[in-house]
Amino acid sequence: DVKVTQSSRYLVKRTGEKVFLECVQDMDHENMFWYRQDPGLGLRLIYFSYDVKMKEKGDIPEGYSVSREKKERFSLILESASTNQTSMYLCASRGGGPLTGQYFGPGTRLTVT
Amino acid sequence: RKEVEQDPGPFNVPEGATVAFNCTYSNSASQSFFWYRQDCRKEPKLLMSVYSSGNEDGRFTAQLNRASQYISLLIRDSKLSDSATYLCVVPARGSGAGSYQLTFGKGTKLSVIP
Repeated sequence: DVKVTQSSRYLVKRTGEKVFLECVQDMDHENMFWYRQDPGLGLRLIYFSYDVKMKEKGDIPEGYSVSREKKERFSLILESASTNQTSMYLCASRGGGPLTGQYFGPGTRLTVT
Repeated sequence: RKEVEQDPGPFNVPEGATVAFNCTYSNSASQSFFWYRQDCRKEPKLLMSVYSSGNEDGRFTAQLNRASQYISLLIRDSKLSDSATYLCVVPARGSGAGSYQLTFGKGTKLSVIP
């Protein structure tokens, strides 16, 4: 079974803090993704990576950056957290061809006060 | 037409009922599609993939209609444990190098009532 883990389930940070969210997958997948999910807005793609050190912006990259130094690890960075970044953050990975789906981690519920 | 569109529901059905969700998509070049299930405050989990005319797994059947550009999910003999939000997922339009990008619908909420 694919396993995707995220560093924290719940996180509370103050406005202006730098926040790191980490994601690790154990299936040697090339592709990894960061989403945020908000009520009524569904899943929105922030960034994705299709290889080590490669990244592409998703639909809502503003205020975020990412890092992928190793294939199994994909980090999301909030450079200066703001209250409108309070959300559920979900990491996913995908491999094995276009007929396979994405596998999600358990999510990090981030609150910025 | 939006990339992917679902009826948000909620669908409230009694145990044992059959319920069907439809989802429309705009990218006619899409080849593979997925249904995910998401429980409250949990991550989405892959339920079924659809890449030919359809796929069946126990009580669940997913069907694809390429001509009309919609996919459907049929749940037979509904159980209380089927209560969840069901997300329709299609390949992202024009994803280029990001060919593994997916676009998620906002989901259809199902409540199975005793």
